[in-house]
Amino acid sequence: DTAVSQTPKYLVTQMGNDKSIKCEQNLGHDTMYWYKQDSKKFLKIMFSYNNKELIINETVPNRFSPKSPDKAHLNLHINSLELGDSAVYFCASSQGGAGTAETQYFGPGTRLLVL
Amino acid sequence: GIQVEQSPPDLILQEGANSTLRCNFSDSVNNLQWFHQNPWGQLINLFYIPSGTKQNGRLSATTVATERYSLLYISSSQTTDSGVYFCAACVNQAGTALIFGKGTTLSVSS
Repeated sequence: DTAVSQTPKYLVTQMGNDKSIKCEQNLGHDTMYWYKQDSKKFLKIMFSYNNKELIINETVPNRFSPKSPDKAHLNLHINSLELGDSAVYFCASSQGGAGTAETQYFGPGTRLLVL
Repeated sequence: GIQVEQSPPDLILQEGANSTLRCNFSDSVNNLQWFHQNPWGQLINLFYIPSGTKQNGRLSATTVATERYSLLYISSSQTTDSGVYFCAACVNQAGTALIFGKGTTLSVSS
C-alpha cells in the first residue's frame, strides 16, 4: 500500500544514454512533483504537474522531459545523460496544486549514477 | 523567492540528550514541513506545520509564522534519530513549490 512509489530505485548508466524514471501515487492527489537532490544533499524542485498539466518548470536542461499520462503517474525521461546528472531524484505528490497549503508526500527516491 | 535557512548545520548528541533545530524563512508561508532523511536516504514526513505547535511522540514542532521561524524539538534522542532534518516552506502563490533548507545533520551516539 505504498503511497508514492518510484522505479527503479537504483540506476547506473553510461554517459550519453537515455533513461526513464517512473513515479506512481495511489493517494488520489492532483499534483505531482520531481525534485533533485545533489551530492551535497540539497533538494530542489524540477517540475510540477497538476492533473496532467505542467505547472512548474524550473531551470532544468531540456534533456529532462517529464510526462504525465494520467494524474496518478509522472515519469521523468532524461536524454543524453551527463556526469552532472548523477543525483537522487524524488517524486512527490499533494492534494492541492503547488503553492497551496497541502502536505507533500515523497517517494523513496531513485539513485542515478552516470559513469 | 523565499529563502529557507536552517541551523545548526551539524549536531552531535549523546543518546538521551534533547535538541532544538531551527528554521528561518524570509516570507509569509502557507506550507511548512519538517522531514527526516534517514541514513538509507528515505525522506519521511515529520510535521506539516505552517503555524502553531504539534507533537508526535518524542518530537514536537512549533512555527511562529509572524516571526518567520519554526523549531523542531527532539527529546531523549535515540541513535535511530540520526540523519538529516530538512525544513521546507512554500509561499501562498500558485505555481510555487516547496523550497528546502540545507538541512541539519544529526548524529546520535550510544
